[in-house]
Amino acid sequence: QVQLVESGGGVVQPGKSLRLSCAASEFPFFAYAMHWVRQAPGKGLEWVAVISYDGSTEYYADSVKGRFTISRDNSKNTLYLQMYSLRGDDTAVYYCARDRGAAAGLGWFDPWGQGTLVTVSS
Amino acid sequence: YVLTQPPSVSVAPGKTARISCGGNNIGGKSVHWYQQKPGQAPVMVVYDDSDRPSGLPERFSGSNSGHTATLTISRVEAGDEADYYCQVWDSSSDHYVFGTGTKVTVL
Repeated sequence: QVQLVESGGGVVQPGKSLRLSCAASEFPFFAYAMHWVRQAPGKGLEWVAVISYDGSTEYYADSVKGRFTISRDNSKNTLYLQMYSLRGDDTAVYYCARDRGAAAGLGWFDPWGQGTLVTVSS
Repeated sequence: YVLTQPPSVSVAPGKTARISCGGNNIGGKSVHWYQQKPGQAPVMVVYDDSDRPSGLPERFSGSNSGHTATLTISRVEAGDEADYYCQVWDSSSDHYVFGTGTKVTVL
């Protein structure tokens, strides 16, 4: 069964950095584009970033562009989200999700991990 | 690109729930739908406008035309109570976009 397990969340002060990880298993990780999606407490879903199967293409939401970096290590079956200059409105549950195929774009999110909570607070 | 959904839909058990997702010429895009129950990660229930992932009940169906996509849940059950989100890929901005979300309440 396809599995995605996020880690790295926690409480961080405004302006600081944090790196999230997503460990993938039971599917050919190297063959799929991967996403980060977040959900602020009591709010809707917000797409954050996507990376293509080989890491050659990345797209970001306007709210995080220039502050967050998505990356992947296909040898470790792991997706990352490096977050810099964190703000209070970055507080959310962060989910990783698999795309429909290899390229970034035209895809969907299936399946999703269970999420990891990031709280930005002093 | 903005996708607009009604904040809430209420439906009696056994009846049909219809959730709309409005967007400019959304009929020209592929629309995907997700169900999210409290405290859980979202699950895809419809992809490419009207296809169902394997294992999903036939009670879930979708359509898309013009400026509105619709998720239809037939013979609603108590277990269908959840938040539902539509989603598209916007090629003009290279962004994935979610709808505002609809809370379905089973009366």
